[in-house]
Amino acid sequence: DTEVTQTPKHLVMGMTNKKSLKCEQHMGHRAMYWYKQKAKKPPELMFVYSYEKLSINESVPSRFSPECPNSSLLNLHLHALQPEDSALYLCASSPSGQPSPGNTIYFGEGSWLTVV
Amino acid sequence: AQKVTQAQTEISVVEKEDVTLDCVYETRDTTYYLFWYKQPPSGELVFLIRRNSFDEQNEISGRYSWNFQKSTSSFNFTITASQVVDSAVYFCALSERSSGGGADGLTFGKGTHLIIQP
Repeated sequence: DTEVTQTPKHLVMGMTNKKSLKCEQHMGHRAMYWYKQKAKKPPELMFVYSYEKLSINESVPSRFSPECPNSSLLNLHLHALQPEDSALYLCASSPSGQPSPGNTIYFGEGSWLTVV
Repeated sequence: AQKVTQAQTEISVVEKEDVTLDCVYETRDTTYYLFWYKQPPSGELVFLIRRNSFDEQNEISGRYSWNFQKSTSSFNFTITASQVVDSAVYFCALSERSSGGGADGLTFGKGTHLIIQP
């Protein structure tokens, strides 16, 4: 079983709704990530938090707002999404917050988001 | 140009057959890491293996084996005596020092959808 847990597993929201995706890890990892994955595509990096600070934002639209309340938690706040934002959203973590190519990234089960 | 190429979009084999998933990568770094992940229909990306650029030893883990060849920039994955539970999408990924590596995320290939028929 994965040690990165995500809730909810499935979410359906309207374009005017505000919702949040939540992610938690208790492995003591210092980097946490949000990835977006469309059907039949590889995951695409959205955000990286290193030592609880946002270190990378891959030009993600402002309707996606990440938050890292502490080293174990990562949220993704969603507001005014579009149907094309429907995708699998994967949270991940890695042991080191420092850039290191050997830093293994561990993924959660993902949250399936449908925007109607 | 793709940094990680998985030329096989989909492979279908009958259970108990051996199957090899190909991965070819491109990098100018001397220090880099290669990964394989498995993604079953449930969605979770399961980490399978990490290999650094200085370690060309092949690795075997149960029915899984990996062949890393720097000379051909390949990191292929073989499943021996495949089982239905092996059905999934498999991603090869690259992490390089020059692109920040690790905390900057991974460069994924497009994935290979493996179907094991009973």
